[in-house]
Amino acid sequence: GENVEQHPSTLSVQEGDSAVIKCTYSDSASNYFPWYKQELGKRPQLIIDIRSNVGEKKDQRIAVTLNKTAKHFSLHITETQPEDSAVYFCAASEYTGNQFYFGTGTSLTVIP
Amino acid sequence: NAGVMQNPRHLVRRRGQEARLRCSPMKGHSHVYWYRQLPEEGLKFMVYLQKENIIDESGMPKERFSAEFPKEGPSILRIQQVVRGDSAAYFCASSSTTGALYEQYFGPGTRLTVT
Repeated sequence: GENVEQHPSTLSVQEGDSAVIKCTYSDSASNYFPWYKQELGKRPQLIIDIRSNVGEKKDQRIAVTLNKTAKHFSLHITETQPEDSAVYFCAASEYTGNQFYFGTGTSLTVIP
Repeated sequence: NAGVMQNPRHLVRRRGQEARLRCSPMKGHSHVYWYRQLPEEGLKFMVYLQKENIIDESGMPKERFSAEFPKEGPSILRIQQVVRGDSAAYFCASSSTTGALYEQYFGPGTRLTVT
C-alpha cells in the first residue's frame, strides 16, 4: 500500500516569513494530493490540492508543488500570519473513491 | 448547503459498552469514509462505503468494529465492547459522484472517550 511521510513534524516561523512542508509518497499510481489544515479541536479542512497532471498550483498565499519523478510534493505558505498556526496534513490517493493516505502532520506555529 | 454532519460530537462510554457514531454526508454526496485520529497523530483510514455497500474496509479492526450506510439515513460506525484504546476522534468524510470527484470533505468529528 501507499506510505506517505511528512516533514517536519513541528515548524515555527516569524510572522511574515515563509513556511514549507514536504511530503513523500511511495506508490507511483497515486495521482491526487490534497493538503488539509486542522485547527485544535476542529475538523480537517481542505486548503489546496494538486493532481498528477500538474506540477504546481497556487491560491493566494498558498502553493503546492509536485515532482512525480521523485515522488514528493510540498506546501508553501508565504507571508505567514498567526491565523495560519495549525496542524497541516498532506495526503495521497490513487483514484477517485479511494481512501486517502495521510502524512503524520506538521504543527505550524507562526510567532507574531 | 449543510456540510458533513456528525453526531454526537462527544461520546463517553465505559469499557464494555457499545458506541454508535453517525455521519450524514453533504447533500449530493454518496461516498462516505471513516477515519480515526489518535491524540497528536494523523488520520488513519478505516472504511469506505457507498449506499448499502462496503467498498473498502481494509482499515477496520477485524473484531468489534462495523460500519454501514443504509439506503435511508446516516452512515453508522459501531464499536462493540469498547476498550480504552478506542478513545480517539472519529471523523467521517464524504465525496461526490460528479464534479470534483476526488475531494473529500470532513465532518466535525466525534470524540470518543472510554473510561
